[in-house]
Amino acid sequence: DAMVIQNPRYQVTQFGKPVTLSCSQTLNHNVMYWYQQKSSQAPKLLFHYYDKDFNNEADTPDNFQSRRPNTSFCFLDIRSPGLGDAAMYLCATSRNLEGIYEQYFGPGTRLTVT
Amino acid sequence: AQSVAQPEDQVNVAEGNPLTVKCTYSVSGNPYLFWYVQYPNRGLQFLLKYITGDNLVKGSYGFEAEFNKSQTSFHLKKPSALVSDSALYFCAVRAPDTGTASKLTFGTGTRLQVTL
Repeated sequence: DAMVIQNPRYQVTQFGKPVTLSCSQTLNHNVMYWYQQKSSQAPKLLFHYYDKDFNNEADTPDNFQSRRPNTSFCFLDIRSPGLGDAAMYLCATSRNLEGIYEQYFGPGTRLTVT
Repeated sequence: AQSVAQPEDQVNVAEGNPLTVKCTYSVSGNPYLFWYVQYPNRGLQFLLKYITGDNLVKGSYGFEAEFNKSQTSFHLKKPSALVSDSALYFCAVRAPDTGTASKLTFGTGTRLQVTL
């Protein structure tokens, strides 16, 4: 089945130690998104890629970076995690940029910062 | 700016009874509206959407939603609730295409609890 896969499902890192979260998709969608979700709150969009074009949300901290080496994979890098970065990180895809297309979410990676 | 309100943090319903999860929105122009469900420690799962056309939209798992433009609402409904429907439900809205990404604005979520 076509899907969005995130690895790992659970990640523990130390304060200040860089961490990378991975997302892959078999949907062949053009757009990939990264969201941060805390404590069953609404997901907060960090950034997205349309193909190779990167779009950062204005309020996303510089501590968060992303890479998309090809259509299928997208990575979230947290350069110096703080305790406040502990959250669920959700990857999502959509076929294209138009709003008519729903987003497909991966299962998420729960990040713990010690 | 677009926004979504889900006025109930939690909805409790007995299995077999009908359920409604409320959502109202604010957006310029005709909205694109979505419902997603989230089970514990999982990602969001798409349920249904309204783009245009028939105001009653049918989705996955027997859910449906009715778009009401005059009341700016998009309430989620199901005729007969199941215990397995217990989850967190998010309503989301997007303004008509502005040339930017499909950025959704999510509501704060409503926890549905279905009991025997």
